Order: sequence, then structure tokens, then C-alpha cells
Amino acid sequence: EAQVTQNPRYLITVTGKKLTVTCSQNMNHEYMSWYRQDPGLGLRQIYYSMNVEVTDKGDVPEGYKVSRKEKRNFPLILESPSPNQTSLYFCASSSQGPGQTYEQYFGPGTRLTVT
Amino acid sequence: AQSVTQPDIHITVSEGASLELRCNYSYGATPYLFWYVQSPGQGLQLLLKYFSGDTLVQGIKGFEAEFKRSQSSFNLRKPSVHWSDAAEYFCAVGAPNSGYALNFGKGTSLLVTP
Repeated sequence: EAQVTQNPRYLITVTGKKLTVTCSQNMNHEYMSWYRQDPGLGLRQIYYSMNVEVTDKGDVPEGYKVSRKEKRNFPLILESPSPNQTSLYFCASSSQGPGQTYEQYFGPGTRLTVT
Repeated sequence: AQSVTQPDIHITVSEGASLELRCNYSYGATPYLFWYVQSPGQGLQLLLKYFSGDTLVQGIKGFEAEFKRSQSSFNLRKPSVHWSDAAEYFCAVGAPNSGYALNFGKGTSLLVTP
């Protein structure tokens, strides 16, 4: 089954404790991205990656890091989480190139609480 | 850069009534347009998308949307709403010059009354 998986689904942590949210897709997609969703603000893009070793900032990259060492994985790293990073996070992937539809497939979401 | 506006934060309709959710975008060329639905506590599900061609697109669950270039709009419609349609609806726009990253509207929350 084609899917995007995220782990963990729920996480409660404390300020300053480094954490990683994993994202993996099994569709051989080139493009992957991370969004955060906050009430009244919709989804905002944090980082995206056009392919392996190619990443770029989205609209709200401050406080986050990403890496793309393998095509299927795109982890989101919070080096020193703060309470304003409490949010619902979504990973997404899509195919690129001629003839593709660029439809983004979303993971189930990770609800992060930073105290 | 492209942007999306969903003018209605909340909409309430009676079950069986028709529905129209508004979406306006800002982009210099023809963008890629999407509508997603998010049920409470769930992830995002794609309802429909527009890339080119016929400006009236059909989606899942009986939804349709019409792309109107002159109005920079991509409104979502359904002839008869069911209670299960209560959810948050997001319009999104993507463009080739931004790596096809999606810009989302802030969402419209749909409440369906008996």
C-alpha cells in the first residue's frame, strides 16, 4: 500500500530536549516536505526537499532542521524545542517530472507538545 | 509567490442543502489547485485537483470545483451535504517555480445541522 508514515504519532517533551520526527514514503517520490498546522493558521511549510541531498526552507523554518540522505526518508529535527513549536506536524511526498500530477500524499500527522 | 485566501472561517449548512466553499488565489500564471478535507483528529485527504483542461473538476465524495481564471477562484461545491461532510476544508495552490510546494489557505470549518 502506498503511504507516508510518521513516527511518533504523539510526543510530549520538555523545552530544550532534542527530538526527531521520522517520515518515510514507499512511493519512490522525489519531493518531500514538512508542514505544521496551527489553529487559525492552516498549514505552513517548514522545509522541503526536491531530491536526495537537496533541501530548502519553506515559510517557517526557524528552529527546525531536516536531512535527506535517502530518497524515502525525510526526518524533521528539533535541536532545542520550545513551547511555540507545539503543533501538529505533517509530512508529505509527491512525484515530480513530466507527466506527473504533483499530488502530495500526506502522512497521518504527529502531534507534538513542548512543555 | 502564490497565496490562497479562504474568506469563510466557519460555515453552517443544513443536511441536504447545497454547499459552496470559496477559495481565491494569487499567482501570475495558471497554478495547480487542490482541495483537501480534514476530519476531526484525522490527516488530510485530497478531494480534487486542477492542473489544466476542463475548468470543472469532479472529485471524491460528490464534490466538484470550478476554476475561474478571471476571478482567480477555485470554489468547492456539493449539491447535497451529508452530516459526514462536517470537517475542515483547505484550498491549496502549488506552482512549478516554487518546487510545487503547496501554499494552503487557513481553512473553512463546515458544520452540518440536522
